[in-house]
Amino acid sequence: EVQLVESGGDLVQPGGSLILSCVASGFTFDNYAIIWVRLAPGKGPEWVSSINGGGDETNYPDSVRGRFTVSRDNSKNTVYLQMDSLRAEDTAVYSCTKSDCGSGGCKLIDYWGQGTLVTVSS
Amino acid sequence: DIQMTQSPSTLSASVGDRVTITCRASQNIDYWLAWYQQKPGKAPKVLIQKASNLENGVPSRFSGSGSGTEFTLTISNLQSDDLATYYCQQYENYPITFGQGTRLGIK
Repeated sequence: EVQLVESGGDLVQPGGSLILSCVASGFTFDNYAIIWVRLAPGKGPEWVSSINGGGDETNYPDSVRGRFTVSRDNSKNTVYLQMDSLRAEDTAVYSCTKSDCGSGGCKLIDYWGQGTLVTVSS
Repeated sequence: DIQMTQSPSTLSASVGDRVTITCRASQNIDYWLAWYQQKPGKAPKVLIQKASNLENGVPSRFSGSGSGTEFTLTISNLQSDDLATYYCQQYENYPITFGQGTRLGIK
């Protein structure tokens, strides 16, 4: 059974930093791209970052590029999302998701984690 | 960026009804569209990919259609278990974009 378990969400002040983790199980981890998606109240999901199976190709939307960094440790079946210079509009539940293939161009999600809440407020 | 517009944003229907949700893309995405179902308190689950391909284990009362810029998700013979929010997602190009969601309630 595929499982994706996020952790690291917290209350942080504007301008602060946070690292989210996602531990995966139930599939051959390094064969699949991992996509982070966030969901804010009253809004549709927003794509936050993607990393390919090998960990050497990443993609970001303009809204977080230069502030967020995604990485992975395939020996630990774990993906990380380093979030810097956080803003109030980054407040959301952040979900780790598995893509259906391994390259950086893989954009279809076939499994979602439950998510971890990030609140940016003073 | 490709904008995805879903309608309606909320919907209420009775058990046994046929329900249709529409998703429009701001430009051609061929058939690179997925539908997700998020039940209250649960993670989203993929229902349909490539616009009309039903995922394994998804009840056959769910169906998807469309190509290009206009897509529909249809639920035939609505069940109380279908209470959820439904999202469309285009995966034709970066940035990945989603619709704003359709909240389906059961009368």
